Amino acid sequence: NAGVMQNPRHLVRRRGQEARLRCSPMKGHSHVYWYRQLPEEGLKFMVYLQKENIIDESGMPKERFSAEFPKEGPSILRIQQVVRGDSAAYFCASSRASGQDTGELFFGEGSRLTVL
Amino acid sequence: RKEVEQDPGPFNVPEGATVAFNCTYSNSASQSFFWYRQDCRKEPKLLMSVYSSGNEDGRFTAQLNRASQYISLLIRDSKLSDSATYLCVARLDSWGKLQFGAGTQVVVTP
Repeated sequence: NAGVMQNPRHLVRRRGQEARLRCSPMKGHSHVYWYRQLPEEGLKFMVYLQKENIIDESGMPKERFSAEFPKEGPSILRIQQVVRGDSAAYFCASSRASGQDTGELFFGEGSRLTVL
Repeated sequence: RKEVEQDPGPFNVPEGATVAFNCTYSNSASQSFFWYRQDCRKEPKLLMSVYSSGNEDGRFTAQLNRASQYISLLIRDSKLSDSATYLCVARLDSWGKLQFGAGTQVVVTP
């Protein structure tokens, strides 16, 4: 009965490299959300996806960031040409439906990106 | 202006005491509200939903004041294990997008 699985848990990249963060939602969950948490700040919504569809990407930076949730396999958050300001914890969350009934999102343990 | 604002604390609370704190939200169209708990460097977990009439879950009581646009959380008989950061959350959209506050840190001391 695995929860939301994220990997890698820790990732170190040099400026200009690419970072790929993966998220497998809980079994039976078809809705995935990505949030970013900077030190001493709250979680900031980035993107909401269902299988093969981006539903809301209003929180995604306009450049360098992309997300997908293919029919098969995990959701992937991709950051191209990373900069120091991208250093943060990236949390993935999933819900069974749209989370309307309970508002409960189940979070993974996060992927901590450090850009040198 | 942040959409959800919280006093960062820390609130230092003796074990067994009561602690209460609020958060405010800026968007009057917010549909529903929640408290999540986040332990140091861990993932957030749902603590409780907040209903218009106020609700209780064991030692935790949540209140919503729509007129003043604030939500409160009260913890009675604090335990050492209650030490955490409490995240105030507002949902703006029906599909579940959550707006998180930066959190209020609570430290329960022996």
